[in-house]
Amino acid sequence: NAGVTQTPKFRVLKTGQSMTLLCAQDMNHEYMYWYRQDPGMGLRLIHYSVGEGTTAKGEVPDGYNVSRLKKQNFLLGLESAAPSQTSVYFCASSSPRGRDSPGANVLTFGAGSRLTVL
Amino acid sequence: KNQVEQSPQSLIILEGKNCTLQCNYTVSPFSNLRWYKQDTGRGPVSLTIMTFSENTKSNGRYTATLDADTKQSSLHITASQLSDSASYICVVREGGGNKLTFGTGTQLKVEL
Repeated sequence: NAGVTQTPKFRVLKTGQSMTLLCAQDMNHEYMYWYRQDPGMGLRLIHYSVGEGTTAKGEVPDGYNVSRLKKQNFLLGLESAAPSQTSVYFCASSSPRGRDSPGANVLTFGAGSRLTVL
Repeated sequence: KNQVEQSPQSLIILEGKNCTLQCNYTVSPFSNLRWYKQDTGRGPVSLTIMTFSENTKSNGRYTATLDADTKQSSLHITASQLSDSASYICVVREGGGNKLTFGTGTQLKVEL
């Protein structure tokens, strides 16, 4: 199984440009997440989804939009990129099944997408 | 505000030596605590989970401990290998929901 796949792996944007990061998972997980990771800070949740057609804001949602039209895909969009959005973005997925088991809700992460906004 | 603090920030040890990484949290109510390993250029991978009733759990050369009274956890690595070089991240799940709080990680480097 591929697990969680993110594309692209690297991207350089100019301020004001738009782009979309794609996340795909093949584990039939209900939940999907977008995080950003910056030096000296823990992973911060941008947006998440608990099922197809649903999305919700996380800790740092401003400047981002998401969509989950299919269960296996979760898209993160930047409408007008800013230098403050330079970061490494991680997609993750999880399943709430087996709620009391050690495997429940463990996050499976993608390899990350490094975005630089000039 | 719920917080997860990890120490040390970075650590360099010689191959074959042992080390212990610390995680202190203020998350309340508490559900569980996970340790993740993040290799350079990769996403984090779960090493072990600690629930409220568990004090110690081992996964190969990794042993995690939890003291729910003092809100502290540790990750002990025995007989370190070069492949242990990575960032180790402590993540605490809040009880009653899905909210996670991530620590900033400890960057471990194992040298020959």
